[in-house]
Amino acid sequence: GAVVSQHPSWVICKSGTSVKIECRSLDFQATTMFWYRQFPKQSLMLMATSNEGSKATYEQGVEKDKFLINHASLTLSTLTVTSAHPEDSSFYICSARLAGHYEQYFGPGTRLTVT
Amino acid sequence: RKEVEQDPGPFNVPEGATVAFNCTYSNSASQSFFWYRQDCRKEPKLLMSVYSSGNEDGRFTAQLNRASQYISLLIRDSKLSDSATYLCVVNVHSSGGSYIPTFGRGTSLIVHP
Repeated sequence: GAVVSQHPSWVICKSGTSVKIECRSLDFQATTMFWYRQFPKQSLMLMATSNEGSKATYEQGVEKDKFLINHASLTLSTLTVTSAHPEDSSFYICSARLAGHYEQYFGPGTRLTVT
Repeated sequence: RKEVEQDPGPFNVPEGATVAFNCTYSNSASQSFFWYRQDCRKEPKLLMSVYSSGNEDGRFTAQLNRASQYISLLIRDSKLSDSATYLCVVNVHSSGGSYIPTFGRGTSLIVHP
């Protein structure tokens, strides 16, 4: 149980385009999902907390107009990187948490390369 | 001071060795603690939860010391497959009332033959 999927697993896009990443909890309902970014040899950095049916809470320094998060259902959250630039190239990972629980389960990540 | 601190290592140990990692946290209101394992270019996977009473799962033992605000992970009889980065996660109480998972930088373990 507690499986989280992400799609796509990797994407290459041109500078200026937008990319949407999907995060799904496959066998449980996730009231809260988290979006992280990880640069090579660095730790996970929380970008935002996404609660179903409400606006995402962004961490300091993360531009909410650039990283659009939508959590429309209890099993799906999406992250859209708008007007991507090469410095947005990174490993984006989502995680999901069940209501009333503290442990989180991670998706396999999406490797974004912006050329 | 960072909210969650770990020694980045690397810890380089031979097969069969016992190795221990510590992780300290600064927020005394933190609730729930976990160890995750992350392999290179992969997502973190939950290793175990950490309780004050201690938690053992095979060769792995985790412990929480609330008074000193640290958690530990002990790995006995290390295997080559234990080589990975071990992430300490603390749920920190936010100003909004929710608990936000906060990761340490991770401790790198290398087990060699």
